Amino acid sequence: QKEVEQDPGPLSVPEGAIVSLNCTYSNSAFQYFMWYRQYSRKGPELLMYTYSSGNKEDGRFTAQVDKSSKYISLFIRDSQPSDSATYLCAMSATARQLTFGSGTQLTVLP
Amino acid sequence: GAVVSQHPSWVICKSGTSVKIECRSLDFQATTMFWYRQFPKQSLMLMATSNEGSKATYEQGVEKDKFLINHASLTLSTLTVTSAHPEDSSFYICSARPGGVSNQPQHFGDGTRLSIL
Repeated sequence: QKEVEQDPGPLSVPEGAIVSLNCTYSNSAFQYFMWYRQYSRKGPELLMYTYSSGNKEDGRFTAQVDKSSKYISLFIRDSQPSDSATYLCAMSATARQLTFGSGTQLTVLP
Repeated sequence: GAVVSQHPSWVICKSGTSVKIECRSLDFQATTMFWYRQFPKQSLMLMATSNEGSKATYEQGVEKDKFLINHASLTLSTLTVTSAHPEDSSFYICSARPGGVSNQPQHFGDGTRLSIL
């Protein structure tokens, strides 16, 4: 079993939809949680960074962490075609080395 | 803020040559930089952790003599793929963490696409 599980998709939604992306993990030591967006042939771009459990909102993006369930989510409201990318969850016990999910490929259709 | 620049973005070279990839933190000092490799439609695989002024720490299965890492300053780390062969063709990505402030996330460069003919 992988330390971090992420549904690879692909996921297609119409423009304006709410997108929900999720990861589960098995290592209870993880306490730093990140979501990265990666466009094709580019490096990952940090979207959200949270510590421990709770919610964090930044514009159209909301990250949720439920450490009791070992489950993290990223919500994208009013999705746009420019949101089409691969979304990677990442987590760490020390904020040093990261453990990545496999990535979810998202397409937002105009 | 937290911009990481990687150069070159794409390189094509003949088998047997060595290729150097640079990773720079433009607006912060990075005591630690990381080098990853990514195959198509797969996630990032950590190759090594680069520490300023000391030897890099390589992940299991990564040949240190083939992938030479130098982190000579707080803003620059280099990865040299020595005697490259077609199986080394891949997408290489670096990342950096701001030093001096704990618990900062990694910021990534835009990657280098390496093609060995």
